[in-house]
Amino acid sequence: DAGVIQSPRHEVTEMGQEVTLRCKPISGHDYLFWYRQTMMRGLELLIYFNNNVPIDDSGMPEDRFSAKMPNASFSTLKIQPSEPRDSAVYFCASSQGGGSTEAFFGQGTRLTVV
Amino acid sequence: GNSVTQMEGPVTLSEEAFLTINCTYTATGYPSLFWYVQYPGEGLQLLLKATKADDKGSNKGFEATYRKETTSFHLEKGSVQVSDSAVYFCALAFGQGAQKLVFGQGTRLTINP
Repeated sequence: DAGVIQSPRHEVTEMGQEVTLRCKPISGHDYLFWYRQTMMRGLELLIYFNNNVPIDDSGMPEDRFSAKMPNASFSTLKIQPSEPRDSAVYFCASSQGGGSTEAFFGQGTRLTVV
Repeated sequence: GNSVTQMEGPVTLSEEAFLTINCTYTATGYPSLFWYVQYPGEGLQLLLKATKADDKGSNKGFEATYRKETTSFHLEKGSVQVSDSAVYFCALAFGQGAQKLVFGQGTRLTINP
């Protein structure tokens, strides 16, 4: 398996624009996570899914953020409208469940909002 | 609530030095504990884990022992290499099947030749 695949690797956008980040988890993994990493706040869990169903979205900072998982092999994190304080590295991770808690991370998307 | 506290970085050592990165946790119950490593430009990778008290996790010369009495999971390595330069994250998660990882703030380690 190629691992967790995120796209794009880098995104630069203007304030107010819509941004969509994409993630393909490892095949067979039941859990998918979206994290945000910044210097100030470290690594924060935004939302996670189990079998495509959102389980905990308490980390989503505002209504401008939304995440979907339409099927087992794809998820999106959308920011609309984007703001400069959303600039961060966004990681997607997946795990197998069934007692295994090891999370496999993608390489991240570095988002810059200007 | 559940939280993880790591020693503040950055940490800079010479090659072959002994490494300790402290990690303590606060949790209601007995979580599983983890160390993840993040190399430059990459996502996090699991380095080692321990699922119950007194367990020792080990990998690539790194070790950490789950200490319930002191609620700690300190990371150690006897002789570090330049290639160990990375950011190290301590984390916890609860219960069989529980998947929600809580991370510490990370400790940046730089090893000089």
